[in-house]
Amino acid sequence: DARVTQTPRHKVTEMGQEVTMRCQPILGHNTVFWYRQTMMQGLELLAYFRNRAPLDDSGMPKDRFSAEMPDATLATLKIQPSEPRDSAVYFCASGGGTDTQYFGPGTRLTVL
Amino acid sequence: GQQLNQSPQSMFIQEGEDVSMNCTSSSIFNTWLWYKQEPGEGPVLLIALYKAGELTSNGRLTAQFGITRKDSFLNISASIPSDVGIYFCAGQRTGGFKTIFGAGTRLFVKA
Repeated sequence: DARVTQTPRHKVTEMGQEVTMRCQPILGHNTVFWYRQTMMQGLELLAYFRNRAPLDDSGMPKDRFSAEMPDATLATLKIQPSEPRDSAVYFCASGGGTDTQYFGPGTRLTVL
Repeated sequence: GQQLNQSPQSMFIQEGEDVSMNCTSSSIFNTWLWYKQEPGEGPVLLIALYKAGELTSNGRLTAQFGITRKDSFLNISASIPSDVGIYFCAGQRTGGFKTIFGAGTRLFVKA
């Protein structure tokens, strides 16, 4: 049963600390997306990759957020330094085409 | 920026009732998607629509791609308690992977 996995599932940190979230896309999927979900803003696309190359990261605050795909089995989203307003659930999704995106279970981030 | 207006925001219904929700946009989309999210999980794709006027079913769920390409509808027939969750519409344009999500409809089903 192929699934997107994300680690950690929960993260509590203090303001100013670095946070790294990891995602393992479904094997064979060549598109990876990072989303952020909050009550106020809903689901927002932060960045996405195709064949490990970043295609669009316009939804991501550039000064503190960075997204990379070191290899085809790992995508990372890093926040440095973290701020309380970054508290949210961060989802990774992968897909083999343009429409079908399979979401991971998310990382719930709390920045104190 | 692009926005999807999804309504209603929430629904409280009795088991067995039919449910309708919709999504509208000021922009044209070439693909409409409907997702369901349950607590502690990521959204799961229910139905994908690719052509204006298309009507597609998935069990008790039926979704339609509006003729104007600016709206879509989701119907759930004979609701059951496990239908509880948040239903999201989402739109995509041709040539891009960018997906815009609606704010979601929270469905509560009373047994």
